[in-house]
Parts: sequence; structure tokens; C-alpha cells
Amino acid sequence: GAVVSQHPSRVICKSGTSVKIECRSLDFQATTMFWYRQFPKQSLMLMATSNEGSKATYEQGVEKDKFLINHASLTLSTLTVTSAHPEDSSFYICSAHNVEGQTQYFGPGTRLLVL
Amino acid sequence: GNSVTQMEGPVTLSEEAFLTINCTYTATGYPSLFWYVQYPGEGLQLLLKATKADDKGSNKGFEATYRKETTSFHLEKGSVQVSDSAVYFCALSEGGGYQKVTFGIGTKLQVIP
Repeated sequence: GAVVSQHPSRVICKSGTSVKIECRSLDFQATTMFWYRQFPKQSLMLMATSNEGSKATYEQGVEKDKFLINHASLTLSTLTVTSAHPEDSSFYICSAHNVEGQTQYFGPGTRLLVL
Repeated sequence: GNSVTQMEGPVTLSEEAFLTINCTYTATGYPSLFWYVQYPGEGLQLLLKATKADDKGSNKGFEATYRKETTSFHLEKGSVQVSDSAVYFCALSEGGGYQKVTFGIGTKLQVIP
């Protein structure tokens, strides 16, 4: 089946630094990718929709200047957490839409810990 | 807006027991409904889906029926195994799965031998 990868799988950084997370669709092209955030014992909350070649669409309450999204190609979207703070520590999950199968495939997630 | 309500759990069952995880939804249109599973340390995997009323999704012995009259999509399995231990998320999408997905809180299932 379709595979979506994320890199890194785990990252620890100091407060104030920026962290980039990559999401790749490995065997299909994805015009749309989604970024979710999952807090412990909570569900996934959509942060933004990433469209190839255009600006991302952010959900209400998500700071676009803090969570920078770049969908540079049909197989790669990146999420950059700028000036990270401890409250940004979370599990970040991306998904990619397989146009042919009309199904979303999820990446394995990236656990971010900001000290 | 759209929302999904499911029991939080954890649900603890003995091997070979019957499983039901309830899920109800609120949507403005006619959504597609999904169950996703997240095994420990892994990402979400689509378990099954149903795209219209009365459809039954099934996979790996799990099944769920899209009930429009009760706005429900309960997950069932007749005989659970230890390997079914995971977190199960009920979800909906108004775009057939290629629009944003609204998730329930997730139900942790633990199956003991």
C-alpha cells in the first residue's frame, strides 16, 4: 500500500530554536498533505492543509508564522516550528492524499520535545 | 461544525472476547466514516471505511455499519486477539477521505491473554 514517511521520528531541541519536520509520500504523488498535532491522551487536531505550489491553509487558532509549511513538490511537505517553546512539545503527524485511491495515508509521526 | 464522539477507554478484554467501541458523529453534510488504528509506536493506519448510509466496512475481522438514522458507526469484532491491542480512532470526512479528517478522541484497547 501507499507509504508516507516522516523525518525525524524524534527530536529534542532547546527553547528558541527552530525544528523542521519532513513528510514524504514514497510511492505516490500528493497534491494535498495535512499536518496534525496530537497531545497525550487526546485526539489528532488538524493544524493546516498543505497544497503543492500554493500557500497552506491554517486552521483557526494555529499561528502561521510559528508553524511554517512548505509544499515544494508533489512528494514533500515540510513543517517548521519556529522559535520552539516547551508548550510546542507534541506529536506531529502528517497525512497525504492519494488522488487515485481517494484515501489519506498517515505518516508515523514525529515526537518533538522542547527543553 | 463536524464532531466525532467515542468512548475514551481504556477498554480491557480477554482474548476471544467480543468487542464493541461506540462512535457517534455530527456533520453538516453526508460524510464518509472511518476507523483508524494506531499500534504502539506506529502511525495511524486505516482500518475500514464506509462512504454512504447502510454501507458496512470490514477488515481483519473488524466491521462497522454506517447508520445515518442514529448517526453512528460502531466498531465490532467477534473475537479479539492480543495483537489487536492498540488505540482506535473513529473519524469522518466530508470529502470522501481526501479532505480534512475530524477525529474522535481515540479508544485504547488492551487485550489480555
